[in-house]
Amino acid sequence: NAGVTQTPKFRILKIGQSMTLQCAQDMNHNYMYWYRQDPGMGLKLIYYSVGAGITDKGEVPNGYNVSRSTTEDFPLRLELAAPSQTSVYFCASKQYEEKLFFGSGTQLSVL
Amino acid sequence: GNSVTQMEGPVTLSEEAFLTINCTYTATGYPSLFWYVQYPGEGLQLLLKATKADDKGSNKGFEATYRKETTSFHLEKGSVQVSDSAVYFCALRNQGGKLIFGQGTELSVKP
Repeated sequence: NAGVTQTPKFRILKIGQSMTLQCAQDMNHNYMYWYRQDPGMGLKLIYYSVGAGITDKGEVPNGYNVSRSTTEDFPLRLELAAPSQTSVYFCASKQYEEKLFFGSGTQLSVL
Repeated sequence: GNSVTQMEGPVTLSEEAFLTINCTYTATGYPSLFWYVQYPGEGLQLLLKATKADDKGSNKGFEATYRKETTSFHLEKGSVQVSDSAVYFCALRNQGGKLIFGQGTELSVKP
């Protein structure tokens, strides 16, 4: 049972480039989340989804997009990377009131 | 609005010392409270939780009691080990079901 899998683990982007952070879970969870973790700032919710075909904005959605075409996958898209998007990104999933399962994170630097 | 405030880190302790990491919250209604732990290079994992006032969550020797009168959920452990070195996050789940995290407290335990 792999749980929540994120790829890549590390990435360096130039300003203005685009990329997609991949997230997949094999637990048949309905709820999926993208967080960013900045040093000393805790986790901030970017986007979330309550099921396939349904997504909604979190606290800090600007500069990001998501899609949820299947229950398993919840990719996060950065269209025009900016230095302010340098962060560690975590994907997470859960089923209703159960605990949140996190992936191991993607460390992104935008230079 | 809803928020979580944790004590500043890093906290450095010797092995077998007593640990307290303070956490206070602001919330409307009756949130559920959580402690998550993040070991180096990994995603967050649920450590313990409490869902109503006066509940005590416990796991792996860690404890926290939901104190509504002081809006606190302090994390304690009687005797820390080197393997407890990690970042600890306090969080609440509001009535809308979203998790709101504190900024995290880094714990370093020296042999």
